[in-house]
Amino acid sequence: GAVVSQHPSWVICKSGTSVKIECRSLDFQATTMFWYRQFPKQSLMLMATSNEGSKATYEQGVEKDKFLINHASLTLSTLTVTSAHPEDSSFYICSARDKVARYEQYFGPGTRLTVT
Amino acid sequence: AQSVTQLDSQVPVFEEAPVELRCNYSSSVSVYLFWYVQYPNQGLQLLLKYLSGSTLVESINGFEAEFNKSQTSFHLRKPSVHISDTAEYFCAVRPLNTGFQKLVFGTGTRLLVSP
Repeated sequence: GAVVSQHPSWVICKSGTSVKIECRSLDFQATTMFWYRQFPKQSLMLMATSNEGSKATYEQGVEKDKFLINHASLTLSTLTVTSAHPEDSSFYICSARDKVARYEQYFGPGTRLTVT
Repeated sequence: AQSVTQLDSQVPVFEEAPVELRCNYSSSVSVYLFWYVQYPNQGLQLLLKYLSGSTLVESINGFEAEFNKSQTSFHLRKPSVHISDTAEYFCAVRPLNTGFQKLVFGTGTRLLVSP
């Protein structure tokens, strides 16, 4: 089946630094990738949607200058949390839409970010 | 707009007992329906989906869900649960509007299976 990977799986960074999270579709091409944020014991909150080669579309209330998304190719999207603060600590999950099986959306294993 | 309601935030059950996790949705258009499972510190895995056809859909590990259009429900059931079924379960819908629409998730139900 289709696999989406994320790297790193967990990261600890100091307040004020930036951290980049990679999301890759390993065996399919993803026309669209989604980034979600999940707080403990809560549901997934969609942060932004990105299409290959174009700017990401951010959900209301998500700061685009803080959460930079780049969708450089059909298999790679990155989320950069800039000037991270402790309140940015969360579980970030990416998801990719299959270019061929267009109704399918596959999820990555998630990245746990802890900002100290 | 769409919304998904999972009334039970947590469902405790003993091993080998049956379980039902409830999901109701609201939408002005037709939707696809999904159940995802999330094990601790992991991403989401698709458990089963309803796109069209038979309203009863099954997963490979014994779960099933039935789409009831009149009640706008998509409840998840399993006749006999295992300890390993302990996880968070999310119901989600995607509207059938033109183009690819976003998934709308419920708040999740934590299934706790004890011996």
